[in-house]
Amino acid sequence: AQKVTQAQTEISVVEKEDVTLDCVYETRDTTYYLFWYKQPPSGELVFLIRRNSFDEQNEISGRYSWNFQKSTSSFNFTITASQVVDSAVYFCALSEGGGSYIPTFGRGTSLIVHP
Amino acid sequence: EPEVTQTPSHQVTQMGQEVILRCVPISNHLYFYWYRQILGQKVEFLVSFYNNEISEKSEIFDDQFSVERPDGSNFTLKIRSTKLEDSAMYFCASSDIAFTDTQYFGPGTRLTVL
Repeated sequence: AQKVTQAQTEISVVEKEDVTLDCVYETRDTTYYLFWYKQPPSGELVFLIRRNSFDEQNEISGRYSWNFQKSTSSFNFTITASQVVDSAVYFCALSEGGGSYIPTFGRGTSLIVHP
Repeated sequence: EPEVTQTPSHQVTQMGQEVILRCVPISNHLYFYWYRQILGQKVEFLVSFYNNEISEKSEIFDDQFSVERPDGSNFTLKIRSTKLEDSAMYFCASSDIAFTDTQYFGPGTRLTVL
């Protein structure tokens, strides 16, 4: 069975600080997909990134970066120089590729960025 | 930029009533989904739909739920006899190529069952 753990329930930082959101997953499949979504206070879900299990390259998109490490089953998300607009709940999700694609979401990490 | 739309934004209903939540996916997308999020909790998958039939469904998606694509643009979720525990935010999503492709979410419908 697949599982996603986001151990940090809430993180509070001051603007311009760097912050890392942790995501640890469990799966028996060798093919799987990992996702990060942002849910701002307005409630919608915004896709941030999709990564398949065969691509361990780290990714950077502006102030956002993702560190995928299969050895530790982690897919961590770092925001550099955080801004107030980054305040949101961030969800990590896992979808296995071996037949059932039903995604499992973590419980989310609430990030609060103070001015 | 194309987007997924959902109506209504908020639906209030009495327990036992039927509700239909509507979604218009991105026009060239082929895969459609419904998720729900009980207030303050994680997002949960309900069902995926492709080629006019259900591809996968979760344990949550029991006989009280049904989905339909009644025309070329709408994708609906029906709850036949609502329960208090159905109160949640319901998100529709669509993707282009495959289930594991990027899913684009609508703004959600907040369902309140009294």
